[in-house]
Amino acid sequence: DTGVSQDPRHKITKRGQNVTFRCDPISEHNRLYWYRQTLGQGPEFLTYFQNEAQLEKSRLLSDRFSAERPKGSFSTLEIQRTEQGDSAMYLCASSGGVGAHYTDTQYFGPGTRLTVL
Amino acid sequence: AQKVTQAQTEISVVEKEDVTLDCVYETRDTTYYLFWYKQPPSGELVFLIRRNSFDEQNEISGRYSWNFQKSTSSFNFTITASQVVDSAVYFCALSEGLYNQGGKLIFGQGTELSVKP
Repeated sequence: DTGVSQDPRHKITKRGQNVTFRCDPISEHNRLYWYRQTLGQGPEFLTYFQNEAQLEKSRLLSDRFSAERPKGSFSTLEIQRTEQGDSAMYLCASSGGVGAHYTDTQYFGPGTRLTVL
Repeated sequence: AQKVTQAQTEISVVEKEDVTLDCVYETRDTTYYLFWYKQPPSGELVFLIRRNSFDEQNEISGRYSWNFQKSTSSFNFTITASQVVDSAVYFCALSEGLYNQGGKLIFGQGTELSVKP
């Protein structure tokens, strides 16, 4: 059973560029979460999907951020017109499932570290 | 409002010492989960334990033990006979609702544990 995967692991970009990150959850999990973690802080919630429906968005998710999960499997997080303040680790987690495989525990991927120059 | 406080920013111990990491939480909900995650230098968040608000029984897993006390809103984590491999940042987290409620995680700021040989 593979865990949560994220791509890319590292991204360096110039201010003003757009970036897109991908998350592949654990295959049977129907819930997918995005968090952001800055240096020395705990992760902060950004948004959450149940299947393909985006059910909650944090106020941290400005209009430059958009997340999708078109087929209820993988998800993408896009940041438009990046700013230096967007530099952080972007973490994806998944939970849910059915029957004996159901879990309320969120399992995290390795994260994508974004550096905006 | 939901909040998790980890008052200890950094702890340094010598190998084989016991160490306790404190976690205090705030929530208005009567049903919730509490979690501990470990973040080693590689950056990936590793799940350690989940407790629900109805289960105050303490838990022991090898050298790890957890003490959940609703009366003081605390969920403390003790490592017995610490080892160098325990060096990491440890996060306590809260999610409101139980059983398929899909709650986001609210994290504390983390405690950086350094175990010296």
